[in-house]
Amino acid sequence: QKEVEQNSGPLSVPEGAIASLNCTYSDRGSQSFFWYRQYSGKSPELIMFIYSNGDKEDGRFTAQLNKASQYVSLLIRDSQPSDSATYLCAATDSWGKLQFGAGTQVVVTP
Amino acid sequence: EAQVTQNPRYLITVTGKKLTVTCSQNMNHEYMSWYRQDPGLGLRQIYYSMNVEVTDKGDVPEGYKVSRKEKRNFPLILESPSPNQTSLYFCASSLLGTPINTGELFFGEGSRLTVL
Repeated sequence: QKEVEQNSGPLSVPEGAIASLNCTYSDRGSQSFFWYRQYSGKSPELIMFIYSNGDKEDGRFTAQLNKASQYVSLLIRDSQPSDSATYLCAATDSWGKLQFGAGTQVVVTP
Repeated sequence: EAQVTQNPRYLITVTGKKLTVTCSQNMNHEYMSWYRQDPGLGLRQIYYSMNVEVTDKGDVPEGYKVSRKEKRNFPLILESPSPNQTSLYFCASSLLGTPINTGELFFGEGSRLTVL
């Protein structure tokens, strides 16, 4: 079982709608959670991090963390074609290592 | 400009021919790491370094070597490449020196390696 699981997608989202991405993790000792965006052929870039239960908002992005259920999600409001990318969820495990999920591909359709 | 620079960006080589992928960062970061990215498997850590002369294995270290003689450089060495090492490789660095709170990882542009 992978440490961090994501639905590979593609997740097709109409322009202007909300994209909802989910991620689950297996290590209850995980403390820090990150969302990276990776455009095709490019390197990942950090868009959000969250450490505490609840919601964290940054512009059109909202990260949600539920440690009891071991999931973290990312909402993208007012989705734009420029949001089309693969979104990588990452979590630090009990050893402090950063574990990445395989990523969810998001396609925003005009 | 703050950046992580990897070379080469693309390489096709043959089984057994030693190669080195260089990585250099100009941000004075303590933490550096190598990842490989394969379809369906995501990013997997090969090796990481928390400071000069301190390196440790990641999840998939077999077949790779690293060194950290200077803070800015963290080369990845494939002593005897095999076809299963065909992958997209990323070097990354971070200001924070502890893996528990890696903070933001800054990635290089990637090196696509093909081993025939």
